[in-house]
This record gives sequence, structure tokens and C-alpha cells, in this order.
Amino acid sequence: EMQVVESGGGLVKRGGSLRLFCSGSGFIFSSYAMNWVRQAPGKGLEWVSSISGNGIYISYADSVKGRFTISRDNAKNSLYLHMNSLRAEDTSIYYCVREGKGLAAFDIWGQGTMVTVSS
Amino acid sequence: QSALTQPASVSGSPGQSITISCTGSSSDVGGYNYVSWYQQHPGESPKLLIFDVTNRPSGVSHRFTGSKSGNTASLTISGLQADDESDYYCSSYTSLTSRVFGTGTKVTVL
Repeated sequence: EMQVVESGGGLVKRGGSLRLFCSGSGFIFSSYAMNWVRQAPGKGLEWVSSISGNGIYISYADSVKGRFTISRDNAKNSLYLHMNSLRAEDTSIYYCVREGKGLAAFDIWGQGTMVTVSS
Repeated sequence: QSALTQPASVSGSPGQSITISCTGSSSDVGGYNYVSWYQQHPGESPKLLIFDVTNRPSGVSHRFTGSKSGNTASLTISGLQADDESDYYCSSYTSLTSRVFGTGTKVTVL
């Protein structure tokens, strides 16, 4: 079964840092671009960041640029999101998502990991 | 990059057809055939319904149809069923920040 599983969420103080992890299985991890997508409580989906299968091409939403860093280790089938200078508005469920059906076509979603930034 | 614009809510009776719009610009929806649609039930992760404007992944009902005209993409749900009551989101590739989601639409089955 193809799946991705996130971990690393939790409660962090404003201005703090947190690192999210995502493990992929059941597919050739290095062949796919991977993304982080977040959803604040009761709100819509927001794309956060994308990294190509070989890790060369990386992009970020303006709301996190300069504060978040996406990376991957294909040998470990793993995706990461290093979040710095966290703000209250970063409070969300963070989903690890495979872009498996072409550009901006997110076909495998994890269950999400909750990040809460307290003030 | 602002979110793509979707109606906040759409409703219909069982058996009817409804259409959800997703409006962007020439930098995203209008410029590329990379529009996707997702269904999200409360408390669950989103599910891919449509990719590349019109294509359905295997296992997705033929009642879901995607289309695009200019800067606006649309998702049509035909033969509306109770289980279709859910939140729906579009997404697109964009030349500005690479990917963007729509604002989301809540579908109510009357």
C-alpha cells in the first residue's frame, strides 16, 4: 500500500522552531515531488512548500519563505520541514503529500500532524 | 499569490447536478492545464478527484467531471448523493509560487 506518515508536530512557543518528518512507503520515493500542505483549524488548505524528486527544485509559499526549509533524504524515503520563527498563524495540521499525478496533483496524503504555536 | 476563488457554498437535492467554480488568472488556471480537485470529509485528509483539468484517478466515480474555460475551472457533480456532502478544493500550478489552492466550497445535499 502506498502511504506517507507524518510526525514531529506538537506545541511550541512563538518564535520557536520545530522539525516535521514524513516517511513514504509502497512507492519509489525518489521518483516523486513531495509537498507540505497545511490547514488551520476550521480553515481551508494552504500549500506550503514543494521539493522535486531529486531535491534540486524547491519552492515556498510567500507566507513561510525565509522561515521554513524543506528537504528530503531519498535513501531513507523521508521528507522534512524545518520551521523557524514560528508564529501563531502557523498553527495548523501539516500534511505530507505526494505529487503523483502531475503538477499540483496531490494523490497521496498523510493523516497530518498538528502544530500549535502558543503566544 | 492569492488563493484561487471558489464559492463558499453550493447546495443541491439528491439526484441533481451541481457545479463548483474555481477562478484564477492567466498565471495559474488560465495558463496551464494543471488544475486538480479534492474532496475532504470532516476530520479526514483530502482525496484527489480530478487532475490535469479533466482526468479522474482510478476508483473515482464518473459522477465527478472537470472542465476549464479561460481562467475558470469547474467541477461538476452529477447524480448528487448524500455522501457528496463535503468540502471541495481546487488546486493549480502557478508561475508565481508554483502551487496554489482554492478557497474551498462546502457542498450541502438538501
